[in-house]
Amino acid sequence: SQQGEEDPQALSIQEGENATMNCSYKTSINNLQWYRQNSGRGLVHLILIRSNEREKHSGRLRVTLDTSKKSSSLLITASRAADTASYFCATDVDYGQNFVFGPGTRLSVLP
Amino acid sequence: DAGVIQSPRHEVTEMGQEVTLRCKPISGHDYLFWYRQTMMRGLELLIYFNNNVPIDDSGMPEDRFSAKMPNASFSTLKIQPSEPRDSAVYFCASSGTRGGIYEQYFGPGTRLTVT
Repeated sequence: SQQGEEDPQALSIQEGENATMNCSYKTSINNLQWYRQNSGRGLVHLILIRSNEREKHSGRLRVTLDTSKKSSSLLITASRAADTASYFCATDVDYGQNFVFGPGTRLSVLP
Repeated sequence: DAGVIQSPRHEVTEMGQEVTLRCKPISGHDYLFWYRQTMMRGLELLIYFNNNVPIDDSGMPEDRFSAKMPNASFSTLKIQPSEPRDSAVYFCASSGTRGGIYEQYFGPGTRLTVT
């Protein structure tokens, strides 16, 4: 079964609004990553958060990690139409280089 | 750096034919991953290599699938014989462990259609 599960499966918001996506996982991890995939493209790494970190920022992105709840969230502030994409969380397997990707959240930002 | 390079970008073939997908990882990366993405099953890891050695191939669907990495700059994923259910987008990704960097860099993918 998949390690990470994103929620919601799909999200539609207006430009300028904030978008929040959640990821839950089952077993202990060393780190968790978020990726973006534009339609017809490969995945692009957004941000990595380690198990000893609680929050991380990168531009308009904010990621939180709660290891006690085995969950993470990705917040995109002041969304733009260009943020329209699928977003995936990925958790490491056995603390190695192998990651398991969740099914993703499809974000639509309407102009 | 040109990033991860995959070829071909699109492949249409008939059932029963052999298909070979190619990947050139980012120079200096010591991990290479092959994924398959479909609407039904999402992104699935097929196999990954470390320093050209296959580490985990448990995701390879069946014996019709095989992957090789003869050197640090080239890998192939072969399907023989191909079946319609193999239709998917196949991604290659690479990563490097120097400095503890784990993010994977994905290629643009190969869209395979088996008729």
